[in-house]
Amino acid sequence: AQKITQTQPGMFVQEKEAVTLDCTYDTSDPSYGLFWYKQPSSGEMIFLIYQGSYDQQNATEGRYSLNFQKARKSANLVISASQLGDSAMYFCAMSPVGSSNTGKLIFGQGTTLQVKP
Amino acid sequence: GAVVSQHPSRVICKSGTSVKIECRSLDFQATTMFWYRQFPKQSLMLMATSNEGSKATYEQGVEKDKFLINHASLTLSTLTVTSAHPEDSSFYICSAFPRNTEAFFGQGTRLTVV
Repeated sequence: AQKITQTQPGMFVQEKEAVTLDCTYDTSDPSYGLFWYKQPSSGEMIFLIYQGSYDQQNATEGRYSLNFQKARKSANLVISASQLGDSAMYFCAMSPVGSSNTGKLIFGQGTTLQVKP
Repeated sequence: GAVVSQHPSRVICKSGTSVKIECRSLDFQATTMFWYRQFPKQSLMLMATSNEGSKATYEQGVEKDKFLINHASLTLSTLTVTSAHPEDSSFYICSAFPRNTEAFFGQGTRLTVV
């Protein structure tokens, strides 16, 4: 069975500093994708970054980077130069790739990030 | 980028009535869409997979007769909450995968049953 674990219910970070949000996963699928989403209070799910299980390099998208350690089954999100607008709930999610279940996202519990001015 | 549009964003209905929520892919065709439910301060839980031209696939514990899903075209999936009760009050959100590396969500629908 697939499982995503986010062990940090809440995090604080000072504006302009970097922050790491933890995510570990468990899956028996040979190929899978890992996603991070931001959910502000409005409820919308904003796609941030994607990492494929066979990607050799860690994914980066602007201020977001994914620290992917396959052997440890972790996919931590790093946000650099935090901004007040980064305050939101962040979800790590996983989906199998190349199977009939591709597209089904399994989510972690989420981490609430608050950026302090 | 790919856009998924969901309507309505908020709905209040009386107990016992039905509510229909629409999910559209605006610039790509989606043979499969997904419906999730989220209770306050909790994670998203997959309810069902909507398949164009065939029956939806429901996750364990989700009542298919209560949550009717129709995927009549390559760009539209609908979720109908039938005979709604206060415990059905929740945030419902749909998603679609234009490609393996991206999953986009609708804006979500906040349902309140009174």
